[in-house]
Amino acid sequence: GQQVMQIPQYQHVQEGEDFTTYCNSSTTLSNIQWYKQRPGGHPVFLIQLVKSGEVKKQKRLTFQFGEAKKNSSLHITATQTTDVGTYFCAGPSNDYKLSFGAGTTVTVRA
Amino acid sequence: NAGVTQTPKFQVLKTGQSMTLQCAQDMNHEYMSWYRQDPGMGLRLIHYSVGAGITDQGEVPNGYNVSRSTTEDFPLRLLSAAPSQTSVYFCASTQGRVYNEQFFGPGTRLTVL
Repeated sequence: GQQVMQIPQYQHVQEGEDFTTYCNSSTTLSNIQWYKQRPGGHPVFLIQLVKSGEVKKQKRLTFQFGEAKKNSSLHITATQTTDVGTYFCAGPSNDYKLSFGAGTTVTVRA
Repeated sequence: NAGVTQTPKFQVLKTGQSMTLQCAQDMNHEYMSWYRQDPGMGLRLIHYSVGAGITDQGEVPNGYNVSRSTTEDFPLRLLSAAPSQTSVYFCASTQGRVYNEQFFGPGTRLTVL
């Protein structure tokens, strides 16, 4: 079955630095979704990418969908303490099942 | 709108006990699902429902039952709790299918002793 893999599992970032988390699927995806989970909270939808090569920005967050629609990335610039949490990517296995990556847990050093 | 609500927030069970985790949504969403979250493993789909009276298995269904008698409610039953079911459980809903934004509940933290 489809597998969605994320790296790195942990990212320790100095406040103000940039970082990127990567998501790779074993199969071509119709779309990819990104979620953020704050410590002790629940996943919250950030964005969805649908088109090959699509790039979307949300303030300091840049999301990219690969040309082959099998990988995606989330790049955060000038990391802030508010960026702390776990970022998940997710892709549909079929109409009814969403496969989540294991997540990248981000901590920020002030 | 309350969105997706879950009860209880915390629960401790002994091995062999049964219980029901409640989930409700007030957005008239057709699709509802249950996930469990374990460290380093992301979110794994337990069961899902595409509408009242229709449920199906996800990735890790063993030990769990679900039913969907109304659009709003989607309870998850643990038949005979085992320590391996210690986890955080999230209910989610969306309009249509999984191609759309999933709305998650606040979660239930379950410990099985």
